[in-house]
Amino acid sequence: NAGVTQTPKFRVLKTGQSMTLLCAQDMNHEYMYWYRQDPGMGLRLIHYSVGEGTTAKGEVPDGYNVSRLKKQNFLLGLESAAPSQTSVYFCASSKFRGTSGSPGEQFFGPGTRLTVL
Amino acid sequence: RKEVEQDPGPFNVPEGATVAFNCTYSNSASQSFFWYRQDCRKEPKLLMSVYSSGNEDGRFTAQLNRASQYISLLIRDSKLSDSATYLCVVNTLRMDSSYKLIFGSGTRLLVRP
Repeated sequence: NAGVTQTPKFRVLKTGQSMTLLCAQDMNHEYMYWYRQDPGMGLRLIHYSVGEGTTAKGEVPDGYNVSRLKKQNFLLGLESAAPSQTSVYFCASSKFRGTSGSPGEQFFGPGTRLTVL
Repeated sequence: RKEVEQDPGPFNVPEGATVAFNCTYSNSASQSFFWYRQDCRKEPKLLMSVYSSGNEDGRFTAQLNRASQYISLLIRDSKLSDSATYLCVVNTLRMDSSYKLIFGSGTRLLVRP
């Protein structure tokens, strides 16, 4: 069981370049999330997905797009990178729990450190 | 006002000490609560969920006070390996019936020999 994996681990981009971050989980979790973490700030939710084929915006979605074509994968795309997107990006997944739909414990990937010059 | 607030610290304590962190939340509709631990340059990992009745896991005790809208984490007999950042996480049901999970910025703990 690999849990949640993220690729790449590190990346340096120039302003205006595009890239895709890949997240994969092998725990059969329904929910998946993308966060960014900046110094002095909590994790901020970019986008999330409550199931295959569905995505929704989080707190800071601008400049990012996502897709969840398969249950186990959640992709985060940056179409035109900006220096403000320099951050550590974490993917997470969680189980659907109970009839209320409340998500369970979140399991995080190791993170992707992105620098945009 | 932030939805979830934590004292950033650092809390600098000697080995063996007892240390407590609080976390306040602003939305009374918040439904579930968690403490996560994050080591430097690593991903957050669940330390414990926080139940209404309070819960204990070895040296760690978590409590919830709904009336005053805060949760707490108590660490007894601190170890060097407890040095980390502790994140408070609050799960709130929104008007559209979706859930919003909010992370605090974290409280940094340093345990010295």
